[in-house]
Amino acid sequence: DTGVSQDPRHKITKRGQNVTFRCDPISEHNRLYWYRQTLGQGPEFLTYFQNEAQLEKSRLLSDRFSAERPKGSFSTLEIQRTEQGDSAMYLCASSVTVGNTIYFGEGSWLTVV
Amino acid sequence: AQSVSQHNHHVILSEAASLELGCNYSYGGTVNLFWYVQYPGQHLQLLLKYFSGDPLVKGIKGFEAEFIKSKFSFNLRKPSVQWSDTAEYFCAVNPPRDAGNMLTFGGGTRLMVKP
Repeated sequence: DTGVSQDPRHKITKRGQNVTFRCDPISEHNRLYWYRQTLGQGPEFLTYFQNEAQLEKSRLLSDRFSAERPKGSFSTLEIQRTEQGDSAMYLCASSVTVGNTIYFGEGSWLTVV
Repeated sequence: AQSVSQHNHHVILSEAASLELGCNYSYGGTVNLFWYVQYPGQHLQLLLKYFSGDPLVKGIKGFEAEFIKSKFSFNLRKPSVQWSDTAEYFCAVNPPRDAGNMLTFGGGTRLMVKP
């Protein structure tokens, strides 16, 4: 399967710890997106990249959240000093460009205890 | 606030029943519209999308949706559901003047189809 892959699929962490999620987009997709989904809600947009450039980050939930895509291929989403309210599924998606289908990964579940 | 509303949170149907899931959005101007489906344990998949042209859009697995601009609606339909359609369905909107594919999703509708 050459879809969007995310790692880890599940992460349990203690409050205050830092966590990092990785996303590998579909090959040659130059746009990469991060969303968050909490139980009973639809996905919520966080940030996106065009190649290595982060073009929108104002919707990251707080300054504890950061994302990178250093070489325009895979991306990481880091949450520092996790809080219980950060418990959610973090979705990565990719597309060729605007107007094309966005393909989602299976998500990374985060539980903060 | 700009939003996407899905009126039905849970729908239970018997096989062969017809399906209509509502979706309304509050953005003015030109929008792109999508329906995604999430089967149990799987990732979000695109069912269909509307960018322009014929307001009746056909998607995969027999689904279709109609864009009614005057009603700010994009309802999803299927004439005869199957047990395998059991899933969660999300409506999404790409707001006007958004160059980034920053989709705004509705809260989702859980569909259960009884065999």
